[in-house]
Amino acid sequence: QSALTQPASVSGSPGQSITISCTGTSSDVGGYNYVSWYQQHPGKAPKLMISDVSNRPSGVSNRFSGSKSGNTASLTISGLQAEDEGDYYCNSYTSSSTWVFGGGTKLTVL
Amino acid sequence: QLQLQESGPGLVKPSETLSLTCTVSGGAISSGDFHWGWIRQPPGKGLEWIGNIHSSGSTYYSPSLKSRLTISVDTSNNQFSLNLSSVTAADTAVYYCARRRGGSSEIVYWGQGILITVSS
Repeated sequence: QSALTQPASVSGSPGQSITISCTGTSSDVGGYNYVSWYQQHPGKAPKLMISDVSNRPSGVSNRFSGSKSGNTASLTISGLQAEDEGDYYCNSYTSSSTWVFGGGTKLTVL
Repeated sequence: QLQLQESGPGLVKPSETLSLTCTVSGGAISSGDFHWGWIRQPPGKGLEWIGNIHSSGSTYYSPSLKSRLTISVDTSNNQFSLNLSSVTAADTAVYYCARRRGGSSEIVYWGQGILITVSS
């Protein structure tokens, strides 16, 4: 199985909104509503930001939102803050009953 | 509060078997609809899903690792383990254990990660 496709990097200024895409196939992202997003800071374990395409866990800022259209899932962060800087990964269930991650996106807050 | 903690050798020689254990505290590993699994991250690279074991005992493995991989549960010690045979330098990574809720994509609980280096 191939990794899901994410942009290597995105950037934005404080207060702006950015969107990170995660493109797969009909056998993973497009076939199931089992897509999650994780934030990772250097040397730390990933942190769940969005599950099941658009569910935001308690404790995660409402500035984070998720969506899906066809074979592409998206994570949008509004009102960018310096603390949002880090690496972001999408993760999807597949038709083989396995899971696959995206290659990761480095978010820089300018 | 559920906690997961990885333990293992740190350094493994090429061609040998990597064995890691994840000790779970704050909840019984055999109860509920959960998948207990492993995820790794080579230095400077992205996350890679390795495999899961469900609380029912069913296992799910990455196709690229399946021939070398075994994940098992020890309910008496509330632990689950990973065995990866015939390791090479490409298996050098930080290995995380984690719990995924059944019927969902969410992984809320992660271990802190353990760096495993494959080198002679």
